[in-house]
Parts: sequence; structure tokens; C-alpha cells
Amino acid sequence: DTAVSQTPKYLVTQMGNDKSIKCEQNLGHDTMYWYKQDSKKFLKIMFSYNNKELIINETVPNRFSPKSPDKAHLNLHINSLELGDSAVYFCASSQGRGANEKLFFGSGTQLSVL
Amino acid sequence: GENVEQHPSTLSVQEGDSAVIKCTYSDSASNYFPWYKQELGKRPQLIIDIRSNVGEKKDQRIAVTLNKTAKHFSLHITETQPEDSAVYFCAASIYGNEKLTFGTGTRLTIIP
Repeated sequence: DTAVSQTPKYLVTQMGNDKSIKCEQNLGHDTMYWYKQDSKKFLKIMFSYNNKELIINETVPNRFSPKSPDKAHLNLHINSLELGDSAVYFCASSQGRGANEKLFFGSGTQLSVL
Repeated sequence: GENVEQHPSTLSVQEGDSAVIKCTYSDSASNYFPWYKQELGKRPQLIIDIRSNVGEKKDQRIAVTLNKTAKHFSLHITETQPEDSAVYFCAASIYGNEKLTFGTGTRLTIIP
């Protein structure tokens, strides 16, 4: 029973395409996140949702659009993919809303834009 | 906003020796300091955390120390084992703030 699951695990696509990554958590947590990890392993928060409400939106290009249909799901849609979007994208969840909550990460989606 | 610096970026130690990773933070209001471990190809996982009302916390072979005056905190791993090889991330946040700021990571390699 995976706590935070995201699909697909690998995504290889051409520049200019549109793609989505899905995330689901079965922990009953209220808050979900998307993090981007680049080739240097830097972990940067992109978005955070609490009970379907957007609470963090870092300076991410508007080609990235998160959607939270309910508090157990947070999907990430990316339009017009660029080479620089290649990275590992991690979904995460936490019980509460504050930044001093333990984060539970998904297994990551390796996105390669050719 | 908060800025977290982490050193060293890479660290190699002989199996059985100790490893120390250090982080400094910029905002004196920060009061929560977790450490995450990411094994190769795996997800980051919380291994230990400390809040600003304590100066040290231990969990078996790992410990974290906090110096609020100097605004730095460190991860100590004793009797290192091959399974300790991973990338370690420190982080800092302010209570009530939404955002956790991560350090740049330390790749720890344990040499058998």
C-alpha cells in the first residue's frame, strides 16, 4: 500500500508537447505539494495545496498548472514542454498545512524533454 | 525569505568513521529543522528533525545539533555503514509559515 503514489515513473517527450503527472495519497493528509529536483539534486517547491486550496505558488512559469480535484489528489499539467523542464518531479503530502510538518514523498517522475 | 546553505556538497568517509554535515540559515525566526535522506533513485525520507527549543536530538547512530545564536545546525552520523550512502538535505522553516526551504544537499559516500 503505497502512501503517496505518482504516475508515470518515467516520461519521455518532445519539446512543445503537453503532458500530465498524477499524484494520489492515501494517508488522509490535508496538504499536497509538487517539488522539482534538477540534475544538481536541488529540491525546489513549486506548488502546495491544502484541502484543494492553492497556498504556495512559487515563481513557476504559467505553463505549469496544478489541479487538485480533492484533497487526496494533486495533478500537474505542463504545456509546451521545454528542454529546461527536464527534471525529477516529486509529489509529497503532509498531515497539516505548516512547513514544520513531516513530508511524505512519492517515488518521483523522471521527465526527459528531447 | 529564508536561505539555507549546506556544506560540504560531497563527503567520503571510511566505513565505521563519523560523518558531519553542516547547515546555516539566515532567518533567526526559523524554528524547525528537518533532515531528509535520499538514496540513489529513491524518494527523500525524513530521518530526524529538531525544533528550536532543544539543542540536540539523537536517534541511534544519528544526531542533530542546533546553535541558534550562530544560526547553524548539523547532522552527525556515527559508526557509518554502507547503507548510509545517500544525498542528505537539511531544511528550515518558521512556525506558521507555509514554506520549507531546503539546503543544496550533501552526497555522502561510505567507503567499505
